[in-house]
Amino acid sequence: GNSVTQMEGPVTLSEEAFLTINCTYTATGYPSLFWYVQYPGEGLQLLLKATKADDKGSNKGFEATYRKETTSFHLEKGSVQVSDSAVYFCALSDLDSGYALNFGKGTSLLVTP
Amino acid sequence: NAGVTQTPKFQVLKTGQSMTLQCAQDMNHEYMSWYRQDPGMGLRLIHYSVGAGITDQGEVPNGYNVSRSTTEDFPLRLLSAAPSQTSVYFCASRPGTASGNTIYFGEGSWLTVV
Repeated sequence: GNSVTQMEGPVTLSEEAFLTINCTYTATGYPSLFWYVQYPGEGLQLLLKATKADDKGSNKGFEATYRKETTSFHLEKGSVQVSDSAVYFCALSDLDSGYALNFGKGTSLLVTP
Repeated sequence: NAGVTQTPKFQVLKTGQSMTLQCAQDMNHEYMSWYRQDPGMGLRLIHYSVGAGITDQGEVPNGYNVSRSTTEDFPLRLLSAAPSQTSVYFCASRPGTASGNTIYFGEGSWLTVV
């Protein structure tokens, strides 16, 4: 079956540092890949997505590239801000899951001034 | 533009009580689903529906029932609540059949079973 593995958190960075959150997946089909963000006390918001190999999703300075050869979708940002403190979830969706999302366990990010 | 609306936002139940978490979307989406979020576990799929009259089980369906009598509504029923069902519940919807279509989430329902 499908699964998503994310790096364990929490991740603590200073403001303006470079961020990488690793995500790898296992899927039997050709999934679409997503990053969701959850701010404290709130629901999930779509951050970015990629629907096929070599696609790059980007939003708010965050980027992730769909790498089929390494089954990865790592999230990166060149310069994090305090307001980026949140929990980040990697997820995939494909026909085998009825197009519902399979989530990773989430990575908590804390950015300090 | 309401999107996905969940009610109630907070609920405390006693063990053995029943209740229904409501979910409604006004975007005419075919697909709807329920997830639960527990610390260190991420979000896990409970049940999903690919259209009115059609439902199926997800990863953790035990203890929950669903129905989809209309396109708009997808209620989640707890028939006999247990402390293990203490969690945050999210309803979601998405249009169409393409796997890349964006999934929209409600704001969540915090349920405590004592």
